[in-house]
Amino acid sequence: TQLLEQSPQFLSIQEGENLTVYCNSSSVFSSLQWYRQEPGEGPVLLVTVVTGGEVKKLKRLTFQFGDARKDSSLHITAAQPGDTGLYLCAGPRGGADGLTFGKGTHLIIQP
Amino acid sequence: DAGVTQSPTHLIKTRGQQVTLRCSPKSGHDTVSWYQQALGQGPQFIFQYYEEEERQRGNFPDRFSGHQFPNYSSELNVNALLLGDSALYLCASSLGTGFLEQYFGPGTRLTVT
Repeated sequence: TQLLEQSPQFLSIQEGENLTVYCNSSSVFSSLQWYRQEPGEGPVLLVTVVTGGEVKKLKRLTFQFGDARKDSSLHITAAQPGDTGLYLCAGPRGGADGLTFGKGTHLIIQP
Repeated sequence: DAGVTQSPTHLIKTRGQQVTLRCSPKSGHDTVSWYQQALGQGPQFIFQYYEEEERQRGNFPDRFSGHQFPNYSSELNVNALLLGDSALYLCASSLGTGFLEQYFGPGTRLTVT
């Protein structure tokens, strides 16, 4: 059972459209992170959300942490081809179990 | 300011062999974590090293071991390679053992034949 479920798994849209991807769990996380990974590279940290209900904006990207700290969403406004990549959410499991990642959303923005 | 570096970039090994992967953390970082990323999947946490000791470990067998050196660089060793060990191995560095600010290297692509 995946601790962090991401949806959709794949998304292909046209440049200029808006989109939202989701990261859900049945467990409470002290924080959640969003990364973007391009082929042949390591993930790059986009944002960390810590407080339930928190909203953070990074240019055209808006990140939200659920009130119960069990889910998060990433909304992209006016998507551009440069937004193409694998979007991963991750959170600490607590104890000594490290960081857990979801399987990611593969996003393709077509010009 | 050098980021996280990993070597080699690609590696091909045969089943049963042993492999060593290397990681140099970002300048100023003292903690290194290793992840395995199978094709089409998210990274899976292998273990974390801080002050030259393994501090946290994911659900990986003892065939996976590591080491951290006094200069904070780290090695990941995998013994008795299996076909299923084929993956991208990622190293991430941070300051301290928390996971709030991790920087990832480009990874080592390991293929086991």
